[in-house]
Amino acid sequence: EPEVTQTPSHQVTQMGQEVILRCVPISNHLYFYWYRQILGQKVEFLVSFYNNEISEKSEIFDDQFSVERPDGSNFTLKIRSTKLEDSAMYFCASRTGPSGEQFFGPGTRLTVL
Amino acid sequence: DQQVKQNSPSLSVQEGRISILNCDYTNSMFDYFLWYKKYPAEGPTFLISISSIKDKNEDGRFTVFLNKSAKHLSLHIVPSQPGDSAVYFCAASVRTSGSRLTFGEGTQLTVNP
Repeated sequence: EPEVTQTPSHQVTQMGQEVILRCVPISNHLYFYWYRQILGQKVEFLVSFYNNEISEKSEIFDDQFSVERPDGSNFTLKIRSTKLEDSAMYFCASRTGPSGEQFFGPGTRLTVL
Repeated sequence: DQQVKQNSPSLSVQEGRISILNCDYTNSMFDYFLWYKKYPAEGPTFLISISSIKDKNEDGRFTVFLNKSAKHLSLHIVPSQPGDSAVYFCAASVRTSGSRLTFGEGTQLTVNP
């Protein structure tokens, strides 16, 4: 069964460093998402992406964040200058059409020291 | 963000009995609701969904009920199995608006043999 994959599974970085989290969505999916879950808190929406542009972003998704689909398979989330409060599980999700269930990857645990 | 709320952080049931997980929402614009299951160190896995035009949707052992007037939905698992032990998230979206998912806090279900 096709699945969303994410790399790395765990990323440790120093505050102020740039990180890139990578996702490979399911191949025939057209809508892509990033969510995060800070330890002990809810899963929160960050951004949605369709047709090579951001379709919606939350108030969390400030200028420090960017997303890109550099080729036909990868979908990346970049955090330019990480802060301690960026430490969280980051989940990528995708789906075929504009509605319906989203399929989630296993997540990347980001630890900012 | 209290738009989707799961008031029970945990639920414990005996194998073979019914598990009922509850979820309340406040945003009347939500028109699509989903339940996800999450094991530790994995991403959320889609279980079942329901559109606001229905009041019930069934898939095998899983049934979701929607009460729009009460802004309440529930997930019934019958019969419960030890493998169902996981965190269950309720999520909601507005399908015409990018379909970002808004999650509840999650309920830890433990099914005892």
